[in-house]
Amino acid sequence: QQPVQSPQAVILREGEDAVINCSSSKALYSVHWYRQKHGEAPVFLMILLKGGEQKGHEKISASFNEKKQQSSLYLTASQLSYSGTYFCGTGVEYGNKLVFGAGTILRVKS
Amino acid sequence: NAGVTQTPKFRVLKTGQSMTLLCAQDMNHEYMYWYRQDPGMGLRLIHYSVGEGTTAKGEVPDGYNVSRLKKQNFLLGLESAAPSQTSVYFCASSYPTTGIRDGTQYFGPGTRLTVL
Repeated sequence: QQPVQSPQAVILREGEDAVINCSSSKALYSVHWYRQKHGEAPVFLMILLKGGEQKGHEKISASFNEKKQQSSLYLTASQLSYSGTYFCGTGVEYGNKLVFGAGTILRVKS
Repeated sequence: NAGVTQTPKFRVLKTGQSMTLLCAQDMNHEYMYWYRQDPGMGLRLIHYSVGEGTTAKGEVPDGYNVSRLKKQNFLLGLESAAPSQTSVYFCASSYPTTGIRDGTQYFGPGTRLTVL
């Protein structure tokens, strides 16, 4: 079953923060986050594994609550380059078959 | 390294025609995947492969066939194209998710297919 992402879309001004949520009805083994710009391929941001630590690099970080079957992506002090559609992909078993959410459209304005 | 490449980039078919999309990766990944992406629906897994000579169905396999004769190549076939198969098709590859490797999926640039 497809994970549910929220919000569906968000508009920010440069420097503002955003949180994107990903919720699944199934117990999760892994959560993958990707960003896709218009007309391009999805680009990997980070992966969180069951029993693993919260991840982060630069101003983008993510958490994984295994009990709630949820993950959140945190974008801090947003930049114009953060604009795009963000997808979470959830894995329910060892291996790597993912089910992706419908995406969250993020637009950062100057 | 080229990463993941896909051919062709664009294709227009008439209903009932057949075609094959080619995906190639040079990262020695065991796993390969075919997704389709439609507006507002994210990425949906069509078929995937966990190794040379093995394939399995994903979420939306109907109307498609795949083959993985070589580790670096994964072919997606449409035997009789239908307008509902108009979409953007992405191939991806990865290592398995294990304690050592994180299973990052690397995507190709996509193939935009229109079926008239």
